[in-house]
Amino acid sequence: DAGVIQSPRHEVTEMGQEVTLRCKPISGHNSLFWYRQTMMRGLELLIYFNNNVPIDDSGMPEDRFSAKMPNASFSTLKIQPSEPRDSAVYFCASSLQGGFTEAFFGQGTRLTVV
Amino acid sequence: DQQVKQNSPSLSVQEGRISILNCDYTNSMFDYFLWYKKYPAEGPTFLISISSIKDKNEDGRFTVFLNKSAKHLSLHIVPSQPGDSAVYFCAASASKGGSEKLVFGKGTKLTVNP
Repeated sequence: DAGVIQSPRHEVTEMGQEVTLRCKPISGHNSLFWYRQTMMRGLELLIYFNNNVPIDDSGMPEDRFSAKMPNASFSTLKIQPSEPRDSAVYFCASSLQGGFTEAFFGQGTRLTVV
Repeated sequence: DQQVKQNSPSLSVQEGRISILNCDYTNSMFDYFLWYKKYPAEGPTFLISISSIKDKNEDGRFTVFLNKSAKHLSLHIVPSQPGDSAVYFCAASASKGGSEKLVFGKGTKLTVNP
């Protein structure tokens, strides 16, 4: 398996534009997580899905952020409109559901909003 | 509210010596703990884990110790090697109650000097 695949690897956009980050989890994994990494806050959990259903989105910072998982092999994180303070590295991770399992991370998307 | 805390942002050790990375948690529902290692421009990768029914887990040069009464865990690396230089994240989850989300600390940057 190729692991968790995220695209794009880098994104530079202007303030106010819509940004969509994409993730393909490992086949067979039924939990998917979106994290954001910043210097100040470390790795923050934004939202996670079990079997394509959002379970906990309490980490989503504002209504400008939304996430979807239309099927078991694809998820998106959208920011609309984007702001400079959204600049960070966004990671997607997947795991087997059921506790006592590790999550496997993608390589991340480095987002810069200017 | 940081449920998982890594109070040392950085640690520097000499090659061959022991590295000890510390982590504290506040949520008594956490029963599974993990350490991840992260190199620049890559996603975090799973290193070692421990469930709350154990107090020690060893894998080669890496050992994780869990002190439930103190809500403290530590990662020991011995002997340390220059290739161990990375950011180490502590993570925790509560497997019961249907929530398997991983909560991360802010990380400790380990530098192993040749």
